[in-house]
Amino acid sequence: AQSVSQHNHHVILSEAASLELGCNYSYGGTVNLFWYVQYPGQHLQLLLKYFSGDPLVKGIKGFEAEFIKSKFSFNLRKPSVQWSDTAEYFCAVNNYGQNFVFGPGTRLSVLP
Amino acid sequence: DTEVTQTPKHLVMGMTNKKSLKCEQHMGHRAMYWYKQKAKKPPELMFVYSYEKLSINESVPSRFSPECPNSSLLNLHLHALQPEDSALYLCASSKNMNTEAFFGQGTRLTVV
Repeated sequence: AQSVSQHNHHVILSEAASLELGCNYSYGGTVNLFWYVQYPGQHLQLLLKYFSGDPLVKGIKGFEAEFIKSKFSFNLRKPSVQWSDTAEYFCAVNNYGQNFVFGPGTRLSVLP
Repeated sequence: DTEVTQTPKHLVMGMTNKKSLKCEQHMGHRAMYWYKQKAKKPPELMFVYSYEKLSINESVPSRFSPECPNSSLLNLHLHALQPEDSALYLCASSKNMNTEAFFGQGTRLTVV
């Protein structure tokens, strides 16, 4: 069965710091990859997605992610975080309709 | 309309009660999902419907019974739940099982 791991449980940054959240998955076949964000008290929102093509994908709110197939990774980045980025971030993998699995999540706290 | 609407937002039920959670989308999506999310944990997939047919059942106990009356509606019937079933129940939909999912706000369920 496929699984998704996220490198950090809780990340604390100051405003304007750069962010990188790690995500690795175990499935060896073709997958679709996603990052979702859950702001406090709000529903899950899609940040960005990768299906195929350019491995560097841009999402909303200045986020981007890079798919590295050889490393089974899909890391999320943002050059300069804001206090409003404080949230829970989930990496998710879909292996073409077989399953849709979320990683354990990384809690990001941005200090003003 | 890019919303997935879930009702009720909050539900408290006794262990002998029967209740139902409802989910509605009008985006023309043909895949709909039920997830369970415990505090500080990622969403766990329960059921997937594709074209109104149950496609995935992640070994969910029979006290949870899904129903998809039509392509816009998804219900989750609850009966004889246990206190450990208390959680946030999320509905999601996607164009098909290979694309990104859009999530509702969830129903916060408390079993007493």
